[in-house]
Amino acid sequence: DVKVTQSSRYLVKRTGEKVFLECVQDMDHENMFWYRQDPGLGLRLIYFSYDVKMKEKGDIPEGYSVSREKKERFSLILESASTNQTSMYLCASSSGLALGEQFFGPGTRLTVL
Amino acid sequence: AQSVTQPDIHITVSEGASLELRCNYSYGATPYLFWYVQSPGQGLQLLLKYFSGDTLVQGIKGFEAEFKRSQSSFNLRKPSVHWSDAAEYFCAVGAGTYKYIFGTGTRLKVLA
Repeated sequence: DVKVTQSSRYLVKRTGEKVFLECVQDMDHENMFWYRQDPGLGLRLIYFSYDVKMKEKGDIPEGYSVSREKKERFSLILESASTNQTSMYLCASSSGLALGEQFFGPGTRLTVL
Repeated sequence: AQSVTQPDIHITVSEGASLELRCNYSYGATPYLFWYVQSPGQGLQLLLKYFSGDTLVQGIKGFEAEFKRSQSSFNLRKPSVHWSDAAEYFCAVGAGTYKYIFGTGTRLKVLA
């Protein structure tokens, strides 16, 4: 069974903290994505990566950075967490074929106090 | 601008009734279209996709969708809904090499 795992299902952090969200896929996929999901807004792309050490900004990259040192792992970093970053974060991966099916992790619900 | 519209935020149907979830898109080229389902506490799972060919697409769990270019629509249908279909449904369009645009979702409630 193909699998995308995320390091935490629930996370509570304080304003100003540095936050790391980890995502690992076991499908040898080239492409990995970080989305943010908010009620009434659907999924919005934060960053994506199409290869190791390669990254591209999505629609809402402000306040976030990413790291992809290994093919299977894609990390989302909140340099200084703020309350408006309280949200559900979804990681996804897809094969190198352009616009193929995306496989999603279960999500991390982050609360910033 | 590229966009996906799901006009129904919430839909309630009785178990055994038919279902249609609407999706309209705005995209200049031939679109790649997807429907995903998100059960409570879960990530998204692909129900079906349209890339080309037959405009009526069959998916998992008894769902189907029809691509209508003239109406810029890709509506999702199921002839008989089961209680386990209660979830949130997302329509998406592939826009560019790696980018996907998602609709805001439709939450389905199923009455016993």
